[in-house]
Amino acid sequence: DTEVTQTPKHLVMGMTNKKSLKCEQHMGHRAMYWYKQKAKKPPELMFVYSYEKLSINESVPSRFSPECPNSSLLNLHLHALQPEDSALYLCASSQKGGGTGELFFGEGSRLTVL
Amino acid sequence: AQSVTQPDIHITVSEGASLELRCNYSYGATPYLFWYVQSPGQGLQLLLKYFSGDTLVQGIKGFEAEFKRSQSSFNLRKPSVHWSDAAEYFCAVMNAGNNRKLIWGLGTSLAVNP
Repeated sequence: DTEVTQTPKHLVMGMTNKKSLKCEQHMGHRAMYWYKQKAKKPPELMFVYSYEKLSINESVPSRFSPECPNSSLLNLHLHALQPEDSALYLCASSQKGGGTGELFFGEGSRLTVL
Repeated sequence: AQSVTQPDIHITVSEGASLELRCNYSYGATPYLFWYVQSPGQGLQLLLKYFSGDTLVQGIKGFEAEFKRSQSSFNLRKPSVHWSDAAEYFCAVMNAGNNRKLIWGLGTSLAVNP
């Protein structure tokens, strides 16, 4: 199983809603990532969890709250988002914490904030 | 600071023609270099990577890339392009330090004419 699974694939939410994005991998990888990607742009790193501990937070606004319940799961909790937060949110994993650059990406959750 | 430049924003080739996508990097030491591909509406997939050793690296889907230290380049090549290769291609370098992160180029969009 070499997949990273993200749900939901599409999400529309209002600025006062609370929602969550979910990511799951069963490759035994020990690092998991959240990226944000705008159209025609490279992905922007948001958070990295290494061995289930938050190791990198790229100064992401607090309306985005990551959670890593266990080594296979990664959540991104969303609250009071702004329309400019509309983007493709990509989850990725890598075999080791500390980063090798060899990332396995999910297909993403496309978020629209109204 | 590390940086990655992909000089070509958009390239169009005919099916069956050869392809070369350019990537230049700025990095003080021997870099870890990567090419990722993103098909429309999909997540990113690692095509190939260079860490050390042989400067010509083979990847998936028939792609190869050559590391040239003297030119600070890591160009991606394919001898015969297929229509399914139409996608966005990102070159990336991994930075040094304790929290290693990928530094991404802006991407090259490849269109394939039948």
